Amino acid sequence: NAGVTQTPKFRVLKTGQSMTLLCAQDMNHEYMYWYRQDPGMGLRLIHYSVGEGTTAKGEVPDGYNVSRLKKQNFLLGLESAAPSQTSVYFCASSRGSGNYGYTFGSGTRLTVV
Amino acid sequence: AQSVTQLGSHVSVSEGALVLLRCNYSSSVPPYLFWYVQYPNQGLQLLLKYTSAATLVKGINGFEAEFKKSETSFHLTKPSAHMSDAAEYFCAVSGVDTGNQFYFGTGTSLTVIP
Repeated sequence: NAGVTQTPKFRVLKTGQSMTLLCAQDMNHEYMYWYRQDPGMGLRLIHYSVGEGTTAKGEVPDGYNVSRLKKQNFLLGLESAAPSQTSVYFCASSRGSGNYGYTFGSGTRLTVV
Repeated sequence: AQSVTQLGSHVSVSEGALVLLRCNYSSSVPPYLFWYVQYPNQGLQLLLKYTSAATLVKGINGFEAEFKKSETSFHLTKPSAHMSDAAEYFCAVSGVDTGNQFYFGTGTSLTVIP
């Protein structure tokens, strides 16, 4: 089983450029999430989705947009990248909320110069 | 509001020694609690979770955690550390107070000294 797959794994952007991070899951999970991980700050939720066609803001949504057109895919977009968005981005999925654990992808390391 | 606090951003233990990683939560109702492990350059993997059944929860790789409501704690332990346990460990909380979303602690980096 592939689980949760993130592409790309690494990317370097110039300030002001745009890009899309793709997350794909093959577990038929309803819920999907995007987190960013920064040193000393743990994981912070950017956006999430509770089903196909739905999205919602998390803790740190500014500067990011998301789409969930298909159940298995959750896209994270940066319209105009800033150095403050240099981070490691993780996608996760779960069967539902509450006591369901998350399955994480292996991460995308993004550097904005 | 619900949050989780991990005491100690870095913990070092000798190989074969007890591992104790601390996690305290704040919640008005008993939440769901999780421990995740992150090996270098990898995503997070679920170690164990507490979902209001047994208060002592056993996980993978010999780890266990005990839910103590009176202390609002969910500390992670392993009797004997192995070199392969070196990783970042995250405590997470979910429940009614968070809208059933996860909140992660800031992580504890475990170093195992040979």
